[in-house]
This record gives sequence, C-alpha cells and structure tokens, in this order.
Amino acid sequence: QKEVEQDPGPLSVPEGAIVSLNCTYSNSAFQYFMWYRQYSRKGPELLMYTYSSGNKEDGRFTAQVDKSSKYISLFIRDSQPSDSATYLCAMSDNRDDKIIFGKGTRLHILP
Amino acid sequence: NAGVTQTPKFQVLKTGQSMTLQCAQDMNHNSMYWYRQDPGMGLRLIYYSASEGTTDKGEVPNGYNVSRLNKREFSLRLESAAPSQTSVYFCASSEPPLLASNEQFFGPGTRLTVL
Repeated sequence: QKEVEQDPGPLSVPEGAIVSLNCTYSNSAFQYFMWYRQYSRKGPELLMYTYSSGNKEDGRFTAQVDKSSKYISLFIRDSQPSDSATYLCAMSDNRDDKIIFGKGTRLHILP
Repeated sequence: NAGVTQTPKFQVLKTGQSMTLQCAQDMNHNSMYWYRQDPGMGLRLIYYSASEGTTDKGEVPNGYNVSRLNKREFSLRLESAAPSQTSVYFCASSEPPLLASNEQFFGPGTRLTVL
C-alpha cells in the first residue's frame, strides 16, 4: 500500500457546486497535511495547511483531517471555472523534512 | 524577489547525453528539493538538501546526481540520460523546521524529453 492514496479523476462538476477532494494515508506518524493547487504547465502552490486533526477554513476552501481514519478532505464551495486545476494532497511527519505527495486529482469546473 | 527560478524551461536530449538542471532561490531558505512529475505518478522526490553542503536521496535517486553549490543554488545532473527520465522536473525550497506553515515554494519546472 502506498503511503498516500488519491483518486486521479478527472472530476467534472458544474459551476457553483460543492467539490469534495480526498486522500487516504497509511503512516500514522503524519502530522502535517497540505493541499496544493497546480494549474496546467505550472508549479504547485500551497492552498491549505493543517496541523494534526480538525478543520481549517479559508474563504471558499475548507480542509478537514481525520487522523483516526487516516483520511483528509478538501472542500471547495461555490466552485468557479478558475478552480479547474490538479489538486495534490501532501503530508509530512516532520522527522526528516520530507513531504509525501499524492498523485493529484484533476478537477474540471464546467461553466 | 523572484522566488524559485529554474533553467532551462525546456530541453530535448538524446539517450546517453548529459545535462545539468539549474535551480536558484532568493528567499534565504535552507532546504531545497528536486522532484519529478510524471503522468499518473504525482510528485516524486529525487534528492533534497537540508542545508548547504548536505544532500540526501529521496524516493527515486537512481540516474541523478546533485550539488548544493551554496545556499541559493541546487543543481540536478543527469550523467547519461535515458528515455525513462523524460519528465517534468520541479525544484522547490522551504525553511525548516516545519513551522506554522510548512510551505514549499516551487519553481516553474523544466520539461525534459529524452529521445
């Protein structure tokens, strides 16, 4: 089992819908959880960062971490065509400064 | 403040040729990283450097060498390129230890094709 699992999609939803993106992981030592957004032919950029369990909200984006289930989610409310991108989950245990990435989910928001 | 810069943006090599990918950051970060990104594989760590003068292997180091020339620059060398090394290469930097926002800043990428 890979350390981080993420459905590659593509996921297509109509504009205005709520989007749910998810990752599962196997390493219980992970404490830092991140979501990156990557537009086509660009480098990834950090969207959300969460330490340990709980929720974090930033505008239309909400990140959730459930360490008991080893499951993290990113919700996008009122989705816009400009949200169309690949979303990568990432996590770290802070032991050796390495970050493990999921494969990314391609998201298309249909106008 | 340019962030993380990479050169070249594109490169085509023949099998067996060598080349060096250059990366520089102006954020005074201690840690720097090289990743490759392939379709369906996500980002995979090739090498990383926690500080000037130190380098460590990541998940897929075979066929690559790195040099942390100084705090700003971290280069990736392919000594004898193979078609399996066709990929998009990203350099990133961050400031350890993991603080309130563990963020890696990524460069724009180098698209490498090996024929």
